[in-house]
Amino acid sequence: EPEVTQTPSHQVTQMGQEVILRCVPISNHLYFYWYRQILGQKVEFLVSFYNNEISEKSEIFDDQFSVERPDGSNFTLKIRSTKLEDSAMYFCASSEVEDRDGYTFGSGTRLTVV
Amino acid sequence: AQKVTQAQTEISVVEKEDVTLDCVYETRDTTYYLFWYKQPPSGELVFLIRRNSFDEQNEISGRYSWNFQKSTSSFNFTITASQVVDSAVYFCAGARGGNKLTFGTGTQLKVEL
Repeated sequence: EPEVTQTPSHQVTQMGQEVILRCVPISNHLYFYWYRQILGQKVEFLVSFYNNEISEKSEIFDDQFSVERPDGSNFTLKIRSTKLEDSAMYFCASSEVEDRDGYTFGSGTRLTVV
Repeated sequence: AQKVTQAQTEISVVEKEDVTLDCVYETRDTTYYLFWYKQPPSGELVFLIRRNSFDEQNEISGRYSWNFQKSTSSFNFTITASQVVDSAVYFCAGARGGNKLTFGTGTQLKVEL
């Protein structure tokens, strides 16, 4: 069964450092997403990406965040200067345009900012 | 804007009991999609079901069943004969196809022996 792959599974970084979270979406999917879940809270939308550009972003997705699809397979989320409050689980997801089985999520990257 | 309400924060049941998780999805859209995801203690999001707003047929998959009623905006999820392995946080979510998912706050289900 096709999977969305996220690396690393856990990353610890110092406040102020840049981090890049990596995702490999399902190959025939066209929409890509990043979501965030602060510990014990609900899953929140960050950004959606389609046709090599951002299609929608939330208020959380400020200038410190950026996304990129550097090649035909990877989809990355960069946090330029991490803050303590960026500590969360970050999920990548992908979907087809006419999705039948739901958005497929990766297993997440747990980011800890110290 | 869409709003997903899961009023039950935590539910505890004894194994083999049936349990229903409630979800209310509010939107002005006439076409939308509803989902349930399971998040076990390991943290990943496991897709359970997707329903279209124009399909109000109930669905059963093994011990799981879903009841969607458009008139009340409810999309409830029932686990029959619950098991300890069902212990997880369950999220209801909605979307306008191809767009972002809006999640509810989740219901923590604890199934005890």
